[in-house]
Amino acid sequence: IAGITQAPTSQILAAGRRMTLRCTQDMRHNAMYWYRQDLGLGLRLIHYSNTAGTTGKGEVPDGYSVSRANTDDFPLTLASAVPSQTSVYFCASSDSNDRATGELFFGEGSRLTVL
Amino acid sequence: GQNIDQPTEMTATEGAIVQINCTYQTSGFNGLFWYQQHAGEAPTFLSYNVLDGLEEKGRFSSFLSRSKGYSYLLLKELQMKDSASYLCAALDSNYQLIWGAGTKLIIKP
Repeated sequence: IAGITQAPTSQILAAGRRMTLRCTQDMRHNAMYWYRQDLGLGLRLIHYSNTAGTTGKGEVPDGYSVSRANTDDFPLTLASAVPSQTSVYFCASSDSNDRATGELFFGEGSRLTVL
Repeated sequence: GQNIDQPTEMTATEGAIVQINCTYQTSGFNGLFWYQQHAGEAPTFLSYNVLDGLEEKGRFSSFLSRSKGYSYLLLKELQMKDSASYLCAALDSNYQLIWGAGTKLIIKP
């Protein structure tokens, strides 16, 4: 089934630990995104990638890094997790050839708790 | 700054009609999206408006007024499965999406 797969779906992590959230899509979309969703706030963009080999910073990039070695994969790494990074993380993709109207396709989310 | 405002929560009755409003202030404007998000699930696309007016898609319609910075999502013949959060998002001049916090819609029998 085509779509976006995120892993893990849920994780409890000790503060200070390193964590990588994985994201894979099979729709051959050029653009990929990482958002965090917190209660009472809108989705906030962490990092994005318009095409393989390029990445950019979003609204809340501090404490996070990404890489885009190929079209399909877009992992998000927390180098040293802090409790404020407790959130639900969504990976998304879109066809950047249709930038203005490009619908976002979301993964099922990764719920991360940092203690 | 850029901002999206929408009500936090709304309640409606099964079979009725509900209108969820959204106002936006963005640096430039390239369109307005509505997404549906069931609890514990991913957001899914509902509609996109870039021109003024009403776009109808089955039981759901979305309206845009660019001059007023205003949009609404209209849901007709409400069903229990429509209980979800509805996210409004505006595309700014840099083609970045600015998201509202979402409106939680509760449907009562």
